[in-house]
Amino acid sequence: QSVLTQPPSASGTPGQRVTISCSGSSSNIGNYPVNWYQQLPGTAPKLLIYSNNERPSGVPDRFSGSKSGTSTSLAISGLQSEDEADYYCAAWDDSLNGPVFGGGTKLTVL
Amino acid sequence: QVQLVQSGAEVKKPGASVKVSCKASGYTFTSYYIHWVRQAPGQGLEWVGIINPGGGSTVYAPKFQGRVTMTRDTSTSTVYMELNSLRSDDTAVYYCTKVGTATCYRDCWFDPWGQGTLVTVSS
Repeated sequence: QSVLTQPPSASGTPGQRVTISCSGSSSNIGNYPVNWYQQLPGTAPKLLIYSNNERPSGVPDRFSGSKSGTSTSLAISGLQSEDEADYYCAAWDDSLNGPVFGGGTKLTVL
Repeated sequence: QVQLVQSGAEVKKPGASVKVSCKASGYTFTSYYIHWVRQAPGQGLEWVGIINPGGGSTVYAPKFQGRVTMTRDTSTSTVYMELNSLRSDDTAVYYCTKVGTATCYRDCWFDPWGQGTLVTVSS
């Protein structure tokens, strides 16, 4: 059972906009910035969004993040086949005294 | 470019120990904390612990306290994670990853990640 809660799966067709939610508590998302990671099949996670809504260089502006209270979400617009991957949210947690992750959302492009 | 290169896959018997290395390059090794995160087959990401390559201090997740030791060698810019008393449920890919900004401890993102080291525990 992960500390941060994500839906296990999401899907969309090419060109669509999809959102992935992530909920936590005051000990993590409520007090700390959220980061999102993309994990393509068979590879290591890669930073996708940091500090709630910032994109590292090289990440397309189709990806965006938002946060409100103890919840956060990742939005992907103009869905492409190469977006098919697992997506994880993460934040520091005061109870653990370490970072916690969501259980991951598997995105399927139909 | 900034890179973390990990040691190769390991196969261990229950009760044994494993030591995984993570060699850093492309940045000032002592200025950025490094975390270890593991991923069991088909599962999500789980935090193992953190090491400060500068001073060597460590913090471990309670689940691993007493079984894990993280060390560093500043002469080779390498950090190590040793896990003892291995069990079958320790079978996972172990990743090292660097925090995004120097001296960041809590408000950190992780970038980049090492390629991962598969540790298989089987009799």
